[in-house]
Amino acid sequence: EAGVAQSPRYKIIEKRQSVAFWCNPISGHATLYWYQQILGQGPKLLIQFQNNGVVDDSQLPKDRFSAERLKGVDSTLKIQPAKLEDSAVYLCASSSGLLNYEQYFGPGTRLTVT
Amino acid sequence: KQEVTQIPAALSVPEGENLVLNCSFTDSAIYNLQWFRQDPGKGLTSLLLIQSSQREQTSGRLNASLDKSSGRSTLYIAASQPGDSATYLCAVGDFNKFYFGSGTKLNVKP
Repeated sequence: EAGVAQSPRYKIIEKRQSVAFWCNPISGHATLYWYQQILGQGPKLLIQFQNNGVVDDSQLPKDRFSAERLKGVDSTLKIQPAKLEDSAVYLCASSSGLLNYEQYFGPGTRLTVT
Repeated sequence: KQEVTQIPAALSVPEGENLVLNCSFTDSAIYNLQWFRQDPGKGLTSLLLIQSSQREQTSGRLNASLDKSSGRSTLYIAASQPGDSATYLCAVGDFNKFYFGSGTKLNVKP
């Protein structure tokens, strides 16, 4: 069974530029999560999808971050414009259901904003 | 809001030692708790998932316990090996969200 795929693995941008990350969950997984992990901290949930609908985006900075999951499969997370404090690893995870089934994580995208 | 704490933040032990990692949470109304391992520059690998109705789960040399009433979970690693060196994270699940601790960085010395 293929795991969660993410791209790119690394990205370096200047502040005020825009960036997009892509995630393809495990086949058949209805729930998709985007997390932000700052160095030395645990992952923080940014947004959670159930199929193509948003379940929770309470911690997503909506003035600069956006995410979509068209057709309920893969997803993109965008930052525009980026700030220095956005430097982090962005992790995508998926699970088979909504009621907190086991989560499976992708390798993450390390973003550096200079 | 659920707060998850992992103590210690870092731990260094000699190879072969049995060890316990701790995870505490403030709200006992949880659905499940998941332990992960994270290697440098990598994503999270699931180790064990304990449902709220369970007291423990075992996988190989790993055993995780859950005490909801006291808001605690422990991850027991038997006969530690250098390959166990990584950061271990616990995640507490409520209805539809996981809350993560900051992790315990484990170093197993040969």
